[in-house]
Amino acid sequence: AQKITQTQPGMFVQEKEAVTLDCTYDTSDPSYGLFWYKQPSSGEMIFLIYQGSYDQQNATEGRYSLNFQKARKSANLVISASQLGDSAMYFCAMRENRDDKIIFGKGTRLHILP
Amino acid sequence: DGGITQSPKYLFRKEGQNVTLSCEQNLNHDAMYWYRQDPGQGLRLIYYSQIVNDFQKGDIAEGYSVSREKKESFPLTVTSAQKNPTAFYLCATRLAGGHGTGELFFGEGSRLTVL
Repeated sequence: AQKITQTQPGMFVQEKEAVTLDCTYDTSDPSYGLFWYKQPSSGEMIFLIYQGSYDQQNATEGRYSLNFQKARKSANLVISASQLGDSAMYFCAMRENRDDKIIFGKGTRLHILP
Repeated sequence: DGGITQSPKYLFRKEGQNVTLSCEQNLNHDAMYWYRQDPGQGLRLIYYSQIVNDFQKGDIAEGYSVSREKKESFPLTVTSAQKNPTAFYLCATRLAGGHGTGELFFGEGSRLTVL
């Protein structure tokens, strides 16, 4: 069954440090996509990064990178040089391409400390 | 402006009443989704639709109904059968057909409170 697991309900990180947010997934569809979204306290959902199941290289977008380990079914988000504005909820999501169903994990609340 | 409009932003309802949340988009996206967000639960999929006049149940469809009569619109009705309807509801769309990353675009949400 399709499933996303985020095991870190909350994290505290010092400003300028790198942070890794964990995400594991389960699916029987060989073709799928993985996403990370950021939700600040304002409630808006902001798309950060995408990784396709057949992509050979890990995705990167500015300070965001996705550590994709297919055999382990892991898609961790790495934020380099964290900033105070990175404080938010972060959600991992997966789309199974056979039916377009998109599910989310429970999220990780990240607090960046000055 | 192009985007996704959800209305109302805030809604109060008495127990036993049905309520309909509106979601309209002018992005010309094919697929539309409804999620429910509760603290500590993340986003849970209620219904989604890939094309007009067709939709699929998500993981928590019980007590909800939808329609997709137009590409631009995907209203969600929270019925009196929904046991705990107080939540934040998010509508999202995406451009299907293998274009780009196919990420979801979200509306600003509707917060429903049952009194």
